[in-house]
Amino acid sequence: EAEVAQSPRYKITEKSQAVAFWCDPISGHATLYWYRQILGQGPELLVQFQDESVVDDSQLPKDRFSAERLKGVDSTLKIQPAELGDSAMYLCASSVTSGRTQANSYEQYFGPGTRLTVT
Amino acid sequence: AQSVTQLDSQVPVFEEAPVELRCNYSSSVSVYLFWYVQYPNQGLQLLLKYLSGSTLVKGINGFEAEFNKSQTSFHLRKPSVHISDTAEYFCAVSDRTGANNLFFGTGTRLTVIP
Repeated sequence: EAEVAQSPRYKITEKSQAVAFWCDPISGHATLYWYRQILGQGPELLVQFQDESVVDDSQLPKDRFSAERLKGVDSTLKIQPAELGDSAMYLCASSVTSGRTQANSYEQYFGPGTRLTVT
Repeated sequence: AQSVTQLDSQVPVFEEAPVELRCNYSSSVSVYLFWYVQYPNQGLQLLLKYLSGSTLVKGINGFEAEFNKSQTSFHLRKPSVHISDTAEYFCAVSDRTGANNLFFGTGTRLTVIP
């Protein structure tokens, strides 16, 4: 069964350092999402891509966070500089597509996540 | 905008007993509803979803949920839980406009006691 891949699974970094996370969605999935999940809370959307274009990055702290999906396949989320409050699980998800054309487009498949600890 | 309230942050239940995890949502538009399960240090796995049609939805691992539009609820149930059901459960809502963004509740920790 196809899965969303993420790396690394765990990352420890010092504050003010740069950190990057990688996500490879399920093959053929046009839509890719990055979520942040703070301990004890539900995931919150940071950015959504449709192919290589950003659809929604309204909750992305753009002064320190950036995301790209250059070829519309895999994606990288970067934080520079990292702050203590960035410690969280970063989840990547993908779906066939967004929009109302297909019922199964509303199912998002999640990767295992990257657990970030900022010290 | 949508929001989701999961009324119970923790639910302990004995093995083979029934369980209900409560979820209420708020939205000014029609929505799709989802339940996800998360095991420790793992991603989220879809349990079930309500898109349209029958308000009683059956999912994986013996779980089911009922959509109640008048009460804006989507409670998750299982008639007999197993130790392996111990996990965090998240209710989520997505609007029907096509944006596909999921809004999650804060989660319910289900602990099955032997």
